[in-house]
Amino acid sequence: NAGVMQNPRHLVRRRGQEARLRCSPMKGHSHVYWYRQLPEEGLKFMVYLQKENIIDESGMPKERFSAEFPKEGPSILRIQQVVRGDSAAYFCASSPPLRASQETQYFGPGTRLLVL
Amino acid sequence: AQSVTQLGSHVSVSEGALVLLRCNYSSSVPPYLFWYVQYPNQGLQLLLKYTSAATLVKGINGFEAEFKKSETSFHLTKPSAHMSDAAEYFCAVSERGGANSKLTFGKGITLSVRP
Repeated sequence: NAGVMQNPRHLVRRRGQEARLRCSPMKGHSHVYWYRQLPEEGLKFMVYLQKENIIDESGMPKERFSAEFPKEGPSILRIQQVVRGDSAAYFCASSPPLRASQETQYFGPGTRLLVL
Repeated sequence: AQSVTQLGSHVSVSEGALVLLRCNYSSSVPPYLFWYVQYPNQGLQLLLKYTSAATLVKGINGFEAEFKKSETSFHLTKPSAHMSDAAEYFCAVSERGGANSKLTFGKGITLSVRP
């Protein structure tokens, strides 16, 4: 059973460009979470999605950031007009759709975004 | 609201020595608690989790943690450190009975193991 997959693993963007980060959950998992890890910081929750629905986006910046998890295909975290402060590691995690609050989240290897 | 405190950012032990990584939490409802390990440039791997069964939880790689409600703690221990244990360790909490299992993480502790 393949784990959570994220691509690209490394992404370099210039200020003002768009960044698209992809996450394919583990097989059978329908819950996806995105977290951001800034240097010297722990992971911070950004958004929780189920297929075609955003369930909790309380950790998402109000502007420039969006996320989706379509019926088919991977979950996408999109950052428009990137700034240097967006440089971070972005992790996706997935969990199965049972008794959500105690289910283990399985993390992908992350996408390391560098904004020049 | 929930929070996790991991005091100190770096712990160094000798190979074979006891590992103790501290974690204290704050939660308005009974929590679920997790320890994750992160190796350089990799994702997070679950070490163990507490979900209201036994208060002493055994995980992978010889690690264990004890949930102490009175102390709001969930410290991670290993009797004998191995060089391969060198990594960053994160304690996390989620809300029991919550609508989702979003995790609130501590800042992490880097464990170094000296030969």
